[in-house]
This record gives sequence, structure tokens and C-alpha cells, in this order.
Amino acid sequence: DAKTTQPPSMDCAEGRAANLPCNHSTISGNEYVYWYRQIHSQGPQYIIHGLKNNETNEMASLIITEDRKSSTLILPHATLRDTAVYYCIVSSHFGNEKLTFGTGTRLTIIP
Amino acid sequence: EAGVTQFPSHSVIEKGQTVTLRCDPISGHDNLYWYRRVMGKEIKFLLHFVKESKQDESGMPNNRFLAERTGGTYSTLKVQPAELEDSGVYFCASSQDYGTSTHNEQFFGPGTRLTVL
Repeated sequence: DAKTTQPPSMDCAEGRAANLPCNHSTISGNEYVYWYRQIHSQGPQYIIHGLKNNETNEMASLIITEDRKSSTLILPHATLRDTAVYYCIVSSHFGNEKLTFGTGTRLTIIP
Repeated sequence: EAGVTQFPSHSVIEKGQTVTLRCDPISGHDNLYWYRRVMGKEIKFLLHFVKESKQDESGMPNNRFLAERTGGTYSTLKVQPAELEDSGVYFCASSQDYGTSTHNEQFFGPGTRLTVL
């Protein structure tokens, strides 16, 4: 079972920042927070991951609270191509263990 | 560099028939995973290979499903005999060995859409 909780859906205006929240209150010390997304009819795609520090890459930023019980994925300037289902997943850093997908957040970018 | 590829992209079969799905991981990736999404459900893990060995097959639903990865390269997932509830999208993913990778990023293929009539 998924160890994360996300809102089922969100809308965001094109060009604005999309902030997707995730609760992972039972995360353990060796678990990272990963974000993947699935654009319609494609396979899931890795976005970003983090342990306890904020992270940024070319796709997004990840803000993790100090107690690590929740996080927010930020897409700084959302485009129509960012419309997808976004999954927040907690996973061990080592061993390449399986990913446990929950229901995710369906993000719709509005023109 | 080629990504993860899956064949076929679509398969329509009748109940009781056999279907074999194929996955070619990214070259050099020792880890290979199978996942599936059945209609209206979440993406669920099926199994994980490390090279040719099954590391974790806890998600395989029953003995009608057989996965192989001979030689540690491509993998096949056979469903025999197929049932109606097997309909869904089957995804394959691969990743580098954890000892050489900085994190557990799995690269997914486009999936095979299986329809059992």
C-alpha cells in the first residue's frame, strides 16, 4: 500500500507555478521522497527526489519539511505539456526497491 | 541512447489464449521491473530482476504469469491462459545497479496495452 497521501486533482493556470503537496507522515530515516509523473498514454517519468534538503533540477523543485512528514513539488512555470498524473513515492535509496504508486494527483494546466 | 522499449504496443487476445510481452531495458541496466495498471486501479509492481535473477516477485498475481530474463538482457512476461481481469497496461522499467547509481531512478517504457476479450 502507498505510504503517501495526495489530493486527487488540481488545476493550475498556464505560466503559473504549480504546487503539488504530499503527506508522508510514516516515512523512515532511510527513505527518500521521489516524484514521478505519467503523461497520458506514456510510461511514468522520473522528476526529482530528495531526502531532507530542498532540491532543484531542470524540471522542478522539491521542498521537504524539516520533520520530513510532507513535501511539495513545484513546477515553476507550468505549461500545457505538464498536464499529467503526479505521484509522490517514498522509497529506499539503496537496493533499487520497487516503487509503490498511489493514486497520485491529476494536474490539469488551464490555458 | 535508446530508452526502454516494449513490444507489442497493443495486444488483443481471447480469454484462454497465451500472450507474451517483451521488454528491452536500457543497455547496461542490471535492474528490470514489471508493473501493470488494470482498469481503474493504481500502477502495481509485479516483479524485479537483478540481471537474470528474480530479486522480488511478490507482486505476481498468480501462476498464470511467468517472467523470464535469460542472459540478463531483455525480459519476457507470459500470461497463460489469459483471463478477462488481466486486461490493462503492462509497464517495464529499468535502472542501474544501486552500487553505481546515485539514486533509484527507474526508466519506464511506454507500456503494452493488453485487452483480453
